[in-house]
Amino acid sequence: GAVVSQHPSWVICKSGTSVKIECRSLDFQATTMFWYRQFPKQSLMLMATSNEGSKATYEQGVEKDKFLINHASLTLSTLTVTSAHPEDSSFYICSAMGLAGGPSGELFFGEGSRLTVL
Amino acid sequence: QQQVKQSPQSLIVQKGGISIINCAYENTAFDYFPWYQQFPGKGPALLIAIRPDVSEKKEGRFTISFNKSAKQFSLHIMDSQPGDSATYFCAASGGTGGFKTIFGAGTRLFVKA
Repeated sequence: GAVVSQHPSWVICKSGTSVKIECRSLDFQATTMFWYRQFPKQSLMLMATSNEGSKATYEQGVEKDKFLINHASLTLSTLTVTSAHPEDSSFYICSAMGLAGGPSGELFFGEGSRLTVL
Repeated sequence: QQQVKQSPQSLIVQKGGISIINCAYENTAFDYFPWYQQFPGKGPALLIAIRPDVSEKKEGRFTISFNKSAKQFSLHIMDSQPGDSATYFCAASGGTGGFKTIFGAGTRLFVKA
């Protein structure tokens, strides 16, 4: 099956620093990638949708200047948490949809990235 | 309109028993209904999915039952095993939301040995 790789799997940073998380589709081209945030024992909350070569579409309530998303190629999307604070600590998960996807289709998820801001 | 309501929140089943998780949706334009399995510290993985043109789909021990008129769908895990202990999310996508997938709140399943 299709593989989505997320890196790093966990990161600890100091408050005020920026952290970049990468999401790569390893064996397929992903026109659309999604970024989610998940708090302990809760569901996945969609943060933004990124399409290759265009600006990301952010969900209501998600600060676009805080969570910078770049989808520079068909296999790579990045999420940068800028000026991170302890409340940004969370599990961030990306997913990708392949070129073969129709109006709705299977999502391939990364393994997630655990961010802890001290 | 965009919500997917999932129940129960948690479920304890004896080994060999049947686990049943239910979901309901409002948006009749949804056309893809997947179930995801998530283990602690990992990303979700697709378990099984159904489209509204069929009422049931079975893959091994996992079955989705879909009731279009009631706008409900459920996951049945037959012969539940301790290795099935995980969090299960139902989801829906399609319609004006396009690729955007809406997730249910999740069900934490524990299968007792």
